[in-house]
Amino acid sequence: KQEVTQIPAALSVPEGENLVLNCSFTDSAIYNLQWFRQDPGKGLTSLLLIQSSQREQTSGRLNASLDKSSGRSTLYIAASQPGDSATYLCAVGDSNYQLIWGAGTKLIIKP
Amino acid sequence: KAGVTQTPRYLIKTRGQQVTLSCSPISGHRSVSWYQQTPGQGLQFLFEYFSETQRNKGNFPGRFSGRQFSNSRSEMNVSTLELGDSALYLCASSLNVQGNSPLHFGNGTRLTVT
Repeated sequence: KQEVTQIPAALSVPEGENLVLNCSFTDSAIYNLQWFRQDPGKGLTSLLLIQSSQREQTSGRLNASLDKSSGRSTLYIAASQPGDSATYLCAVGDSNYQLIWGAGTKLIIKP
Repeated sequence: KAGVTQTPRYLIKTRGQQVTLSCSPISGHRSVSWYQQTPGQGLQFLFEYFSETQRNKGNFPGRFSGRQFSNSRSEMNVSTLELGDSALYLCASSLNVQGNSPLHFGNGTRLTVT
């Protein structure tokens, strides 16, 4: 049974720093992996989707990598800004196109 | 292109009542998924509808049901409300089945059961 873990549960860094968020999964037979952000009281916003055949995807200051063999994905945020403060969730798509979700990392960027 | 629209935004109900939530997906999207989010349990999958058929279902009691119409709009119904049903209910749409294409979420319906 696929399990998705995000550690740490919370992270606080000063503005301007580069940072990495982690997502681990137990079964490497995935279809894709998606990263989302959620602002308090709002829905989720899709950030990046990496297909299983890809190693990374980039969007602006965000870069997501995927290493299926080690069961890991990382979300790299460059030059962090206070507006990046949110909860970041990853979700793994399995071979049945079901999504298995991590519990999220709450990110706080201190001005 | 309009995003995913959920109505109403807020709801207050009493125990034992029933409630219907509505979701309008992005135009052209055929899949609608529903999630329950609470501080204690996080994001939990309720069900997914694709082309008017329930494709997948999470581990929720039969009090939770849904349907999808021919225009892809979806409704979710909860009967015999319990205090523990208080949560943010999120709807998400995707072009294809969830897990095969990016998910787009609405801002949710905040349900409070008293």
